[in-house]
Amino acid sequence: QKEVEQDPGPLSVPEGAIVSLNCTYSNSAFQYFMWYRQYSRKGPELLMYTYSSGNKEDGRFTAQVDKSSKYISLFIRDSQPSDSATYLCAMKVGDTGNQFYFGTGTSLTVIP
Amino acid sequence: GAVVSQHPSRVICKSGTSVKIECRSLDFQATTMFWYRQFPKQSLMLMATSNEGSKATYEQGVEKDKFLINHASLTLSTLTVTSAHPEDSSFYICSARGASETQYFGPGTRLLVL
Repeated sequence: QKEVEQDPGPLSVPEGAIVSLNCTYSNSAFQYFMWYRQYSRKGPELLMYTYSSGNKEDGRFTAQVDKSSKYISLFIRDSQPSDSATYLCAMKVGDTGNQFYFGTGTSLTVIP
Repeated sequence: GAVVSQHPSRVICKSGTSVKIECRSLDFQATTMFWYRQFPKQSLMLMATSNEGSKATYEQGVEKDKFLINHASLTLSTLTVTSAHPEDSSFYICSARGASETQYFGPGTRLLVL
């Protein structure tokens, strides 16, 4: 079983829709959770960074962490064609070490 | 803040030559830098992790003599692909970690070996 599971999609939604992207994980020691957005032929860009459980909101983006279910989500409200990209989740155990665990990425297309 | 640059963004070289890619953290000190490789429509593949002043730690299956990594300062790491061959053609991405528990990625370098 992989440490982090992410549905690769592809996911296609109409402009203005609410998008829900998800990752599940198996290691209960993960404490740091990240979402990255990667446009084609570009490096990943950090979108959201959360510690432990709870919600974090930034503009149209909301990150949710449910540690009891080992499940994290990224919600995109009022999706735009410019949101079309691959979204990667990433996680890390506490304050020691450099081991990050990435999902395989979900490809999202927002249709105008 | 937290900007990471890579140079060059694209490079084309002949088979057998060596190519050096630079990764710089522009506004923070990177205690750790990571090098990834990515094939089209595939996920990131970690190649190696390097700490400033130390030898890099390579992932299984990555040839350390072929992919030379140097992390000489807190803002610069280099990846040298030695004796490059067409199968080394790929998208190489670096990332840097400072004091926080996250990574900031560079824009990537597209390598094409003819």
